[in-house]
Amino acid sequence: DAKTTQPPSMDCAEGRAANLPCNHSTISGNEYVYWYRQIHSQGPQYIIHGLKNNETNEMASLIITEDRKSSTLILPHATLRDTAVYYCIVRGYGQNFVFGPGTRLSVLP
Amino acid sequence: ETGVTQTPRHLVMGMTNKKSLKCEQHLGHNAMYWYKQSAKKPLELMFVYNFKEQTENNSVPSRFSPECPNSSHLFLHLHTLQPEDSALYLCASSQLSGTGSSPLHFGNGTRLTVT
Repeated sequence: DAKTTQPPSMDCAEGRAANLPCNHSTISGNEYVYWYRQIHSQGPQYIIHGLKNNETNEMASLIITEDRKSSTLILPHATLRDTAVYYCIVRGYGQNFVFGPGTRLSVLP
Repeated sequence: ETGVTQTPRHLVMGMTNKKSLKCEQHLGHNAMYWYKQSAKKPLELMFVYNFKEQTENNSVPSRFSPECPNSSHLFLHLHTLQPEDSALYLCASSQLSGTGSSPLHFGNGTRLTVT
């Protein structure tokens, strides 16, 4: 079973920031938080991952709470092409990537 | 271009056919994976290969037979499938590291239809 909980769906206006939450209250000290997204009929695309510090790359920012029990993926200026299912995954060394149902993000014009 | 190439992109096969799915990764990774994604269901891990050795078989029926001849290539041989095996089959690769933090990189999958 997935170790994370995400809302099933969210809407975001085009050009606005999309903030996708993830709850991982049972996370262990050596487990990383990963985010992927999947656009219809394509394979999941890696976005970002982190352990405890906030991370930023060209796609998104990852904010992890100090107690590491939750995180937020931020797409700073959402476009229509960001419409996808977003998966939050917690994984430690030697463990497999277990995907849950994710959050279906709809970016609206 | 994800660095992981899967062929064919689409496959239709009868229940008595034998076919193979192919995956090739150009990322220099040493671990490869097969996942299955059925309609309206989360991705399910099928097999894991680390350094060409199978390390995980997630209770997959024997009509699915994986093969990993080297760290860059992965096959999934299919025979006597059932209609419920129709799904998107995804290949992924990663680099095993001491910290275990390396992410998976996926191909775009093979859409399989069993008639």
